[in-house]
Amino acid sequence: EVRLLESGGNLVQPGGSLRLSCAASGFTFSSYAMSWVRQAPGKGLQWISSISYTSSAIHYADSVKGRFTISRDNFKGTLSLQMNSLRAEDTAVYYCVKFYDYDFWSGFDQWGQGTQVTVSA
Amino acid sequence: QSVLTQPPSASGTPGQRVTISCSGSDSNVGINYVYWYQQLPGAAPKVVIFRNNKRPSGVPDRISGSKSGTSASLAISGLRSEDEADYYCGAWDDNLSGYVFGPGTKVTVL
Repeated sequence: EVRLLESGGNLVQPGGSLRLSCAASGFTFSSYAMSWVRQAPGKGLQWISSISYTSSAIHYADSVKGRFTISRDNFKGTLSLQMNSLRAEDTAVYYCVKFYDYDFWSGFDQWGQGTQVTVSA
Repeated sequence: QSVLTQPPSASGTPGQRVTISCSGSDSNVGINYVYWYQQLPGAAPKVVIFRNNKRPSGVPDRISGSKSGTSASLAISGLRSEDEADYYCGAWDDNLSGYVFGPGTKVTVL
């Protein structure tokens, strides 16, 4: 059974930093592209970032480019998101998401339960 | 503002058929696979249609997807109370080099 378990969400002040982690199990992590998707309170889904299975290709949404960094450790089966210079508008539930395949065109097939990030003074 | 366009809501009585549209462009829906995600209240999204019209195991055949040109649609026939959820279409966008979602459609069973 595929499992994606996010952690690291918390309350942080504007301008602060936070690191999210996602522990993956139940599949060969190193063979699949991964992504982070967030959902602000009462809003829709927003793609944040994706990373290829080898980490050779990485993409970010304009809203987080230069502030967030996605990374993965294929030996440990973990996906991470380093978030710096956090803003109130970054407040959301952050989902760790697995692609169907190694490429970005394959779409998402598994979602974690999400971790809450709240940016507030 | 979302790159993909969906109606904000759709509704029907039990047993009816509901259709949700998703409109995009040549750089996303027109050239790449469309996926549909169902989000029940308080839960994480889950895929109900992949690669335009394929159903994952466990998704009832009452749910179907189709695509033509730069538009796609999701149909739910034999509507049931358990179908009440938000539905999002999504696709990779080659111009943006990113994944794009529609704003979501709330399906209500009357």
